[in-house]
Parts: sequence; C-alpha cells; structure tokens
Amino acid sequence: AQSVTQLDSHVSVSEGTPVLLRCNYSSSYSPSLFWYVQHPNKGLQLLLKYTSAATLVKGINGFEAEFKKSETSFHLTKPSAHMSDAAEYFCVVRDGSGGGADGLTFGKGTHLIIQP
Amino acid sequence: ETGVTQSPTHLIKTRGQQVTLRCSSQSGHNTVSWYQQALGQGPQFIFQYYREEENGRGNFPPRFSGLQFPNYSSELNVNALELDDSALYLCASSLSAGLYEQYFGPGTRLTVT
Repeated sequence: AQSVTQLDSHVSVSEGTPVLLRCNYSSSYSPSLFWYVQHPNKGLQLLLKYTSAATLVKGINGFEAEFKKSETSFHLTKPSAHMSDAAEYFCVVRDGSGGGADGLTFGKGTHLIIQP
Repeated sequence: ETGVTQSPTHLIKTRGQQVTLRCSSQSGHNTVSWYQQALGQGPQFIFQYYREEENGRGNFPPRFSGLQFPNYSSELNVNALELDDSALYLCASSLSAGLYEQYFGPGTRLTVT
C-alpha cells in the first residue's frame, strides 16, 4: 500500500522569500514521486517528478524537490516566491509494484499563500 | 497537439439519477485514468482504462463504471447518484499504462442535490 502525508494544510510566505512544502510518503516498493500544482479553475499541472534517478529533482518555475529515502520525505522548495505561485500543491506517489493500474495516490494538498 | 479535454464543464443532477462524463485523451495516448476530487481534498483514483479494457480500480463501488472507445476517448458513468458524489471529476491520459506521466484535463464539476 502507498500513502502520502502533506504536513501543512496552509503555508503563507512573503513574496521573494523561500518556499518549503513538506511531504512524507509510504510505499511498499520503490516509489515514483511527483508534485502537482492546481491553480483555481485550472487543471493539475506537473511540477516535477522523481523516478529513481538523481535524488535532487528540478522542475518548472524554479521549483525543486529532494528525495530522502532514509526520511521517507520529498519536500518541495523554491528559493524566492512569486505572487503567481499562489495555488494548491499536491504531493503524489505511485509505487513501483507494477501490479494493477498505475493510479496515483495524492496527498490532501497544501494551500500556498503569497503575501505581497 | 490538443491536450486532454472534458465535457461538460459543470453539471447539476438530482440524487438517484445517473450521469455520464466524457474525456478526450491527448493525441497518441492510449490510457485514461479517472479521479474524484471532493472539495478541499486531493484527487482519488477511480479506475484506469488501457486499450479499451479496465486496467485497475480504486476503492469505488460498482455504480461507478466506465468505457473506453477505439479512439481512446473515455466515459465515466455514475448510477444512483448520492449527495457525496458531488465533486470535481478529473480525467488524465498517458502514453501507455505503466510508469508514464499522466496529463490532466480541467475537470467536470458535478453537483448532486
């Protein structure tokens, strides 16, 4: 079984300051991990993905995440927040069992607020 | 190349009715997955279709069913609607089943009264 816990339901930062969105995962097999962003009234957009290559993954719009197996974490960071980053962010896991369908397991989401 | 499209955008139904939601996959993609996103929650996997066959299912009752057509577009059918079925229904397509990236459509907002 696989699961994802997003440790903060809301995160508020000032524009220009760093962003940290925290995610812990549980998976019986070598997982693939993703971060998706959802802007109001828009579809989910993939920010970045980890699939057992480099543990530090760079994504779009300056975001990056580090896979830490010993901590079962996959935290999302950005050095400098922009107003356009305000959105809902989802940490997602897909285990590598290869059995059944490859449905994604989503966390409950973290609402990122950017203060001017 | 067009992305994933879904119709309708919004829908209002009455408890006990049936509903059909539609999804057109991205060009070249043969796999479609459906998700339910309740308000304030993350999406939950309903099922996946690969080459017109159901390829796996999440924890949803049989009144949630689907189809995939030869052009790989897909339908989600929900019978005997309940109030808790009110949600955003998301469709995602991928190049194939397996470890391929899923591309999401904008969703259909279903309200059950």
